Amino acid sequence: EDQVTQSPEALRLQEGESSSLNCSYTVSGLRGLFWYRQDPGKGPEFLFTLYSAGEEKEKERLKATLTKKESFLHITAPKPEDSATYLCAVLTTDSWGKLQFGAGTQVVVTP
Amino acid sequence: DAGVTQSPTHLIKTRGQHVTLRCSPISGHKSVSWYQQVLGQGPQFIFQYYEKEERGRGNFPDRFSARQFPNYSSELNVNALLLGDSALYLCASSSLLGGASYEQYFGPGTRLTVT
Repeated sequence: EDQVTQSPEALRLQEGESSSLNCSYTVSGLRGLFWYRQDPGKGPEFLFTLYSAGEEKEKERLKATLTKKESFLHITAPKPEDSATYLCAVLTTDSWGKLQFGAGTQVVVTP
Repeated sequence: DAGVTQSPTHLIKTRGQHVTLRCSPISGHKSVSWYQQVLGQGPQFIFQYYEKEERGRGNFPDRFSARQFPNYSSELNVNALLLGDSALYLCASSSLLGGASYEQYFGPGTRLTVT
């Protein structure tokens, strides 16, 4: 059975304190892995797509990497506005549109 | 460019009632997917429609149904509402054409409360 697990569940950081979020997955075949940011009561905001092991994507203070078993979202020198829940999702090769999400990591960055 | 839009924003219904949620995809996108998100969990897949045909269905009861119209907008219908149907309902659109075609862009969601 396909599975997506995110850790930690919650993360509290001081402004400027870099850290990494983990997304481990077990799927029959990976079409793509996606990272989203979600603010309370709002829809997820697309951040990155990773398609193959070794791929990396960057956007401002965020960098996503992918291996054959897991993905990391690195947050470098975070600011309070980076506070959000970060969701990872996988799309398997037997689907065009069924994203399977992890439960998310809630990140709080304090000044 | 307008993103994915959903209506209504909030909705309060009573157990046993019926509800219809609406979604308009990004212009040019032909695929719409629906998700249910309960508090503290990631979104759960309900349906995918592409070119007006159902292309995927999640593990939800037959009380849930959907359709896609010729302009690619979509409706999600839920019959005989239960308290457990209270959630944020999300619509996402994707193009399914070209290199970035599998990326899904979400709307703001409809918050459904069943009392």
